[in-house]
Amino acid sequence: KAGVTQTPRYLIKTRGQQVTLSCSPISGHRSVSWYQQTPGQGLQFLFEYFSETQRNKGNFPGRFSGRQFSNSRSEMNVSTLELGDSALYLCASSFLGGEMGEQFFGPGTRLTVL
Amino acid sequence: AQTVTQSQPEMSVQEAETVTLSCTYDTSESDYYLFWYKQPPSRQMILVIRQEAYKQQNATENRFSVNFQKAAKSFSLKISDSQLGDAAMYFCAYRSGLTGANSKLTFGKGITLSVRP
Repeated sequence: KAGVTQTPRYLIKTRGQQVTLSCSPISGHRSVSWYQQTPGQGLQFLFEYFSETQRNKGNFPGRFSGRQFSNSRSEMNVSTLELGDSALYLCASSFLGGEMGEQFFGPGTRLTVL
Repeated sequence: AQTVTQSQPEMSVQEAETVTLSCTYDTSESDYYLFWYKQPPSRQMILVIRQEAYKQQNATENRFSVNFQKAAKSFSLKISDSQLGDAAMYFCAYRSGLTGANSKLTFGKGITLSVRP
């Protein structure tokens, strides 16, 4: 099976712009979670989608949003970018129902905000 | 809220030796899952080992094993016969359930492990 894929792998934006990141889960997985990783804050949970519905949300401002499509692919959007949004954004998928909730991670998208 | 603490930011081990990485967590729940993830310089998060809280037996995966002390809320990772490829950042993570509002992973700050040849 192909693993979790994320596009693009690297992105450079300027303050005030918006950005959309994409995640394709492992075939058959219905849950997609997003995490932000920064040196200062570590790994923080953004949100989780299951069957096109947001099921869980972390403590991030409304500028961070996401969605999931019928094929389980997910996108996250960050509007009005700030310097502090520079981070590695990780997507993880899981089957939910087996393997103890194991989440499989993608390679991440490195976002740099100038 | 659940918290995961990894108090050692860095550790070093000699190749072929054994090293133990510490992790403690705080939760009021009785049913949950614990994980150790490895993040090499490529930044790809890789699951190393997992433990179900209701299982008393400690999980083992080849050279990796855990010491799970539920009462003490401790979950340490032991790496035996350390190899150069084990050098990475290791994260301890907690997940309270498969479904529902608490299905997210809560991570510790991570520990950077270096392996000396």
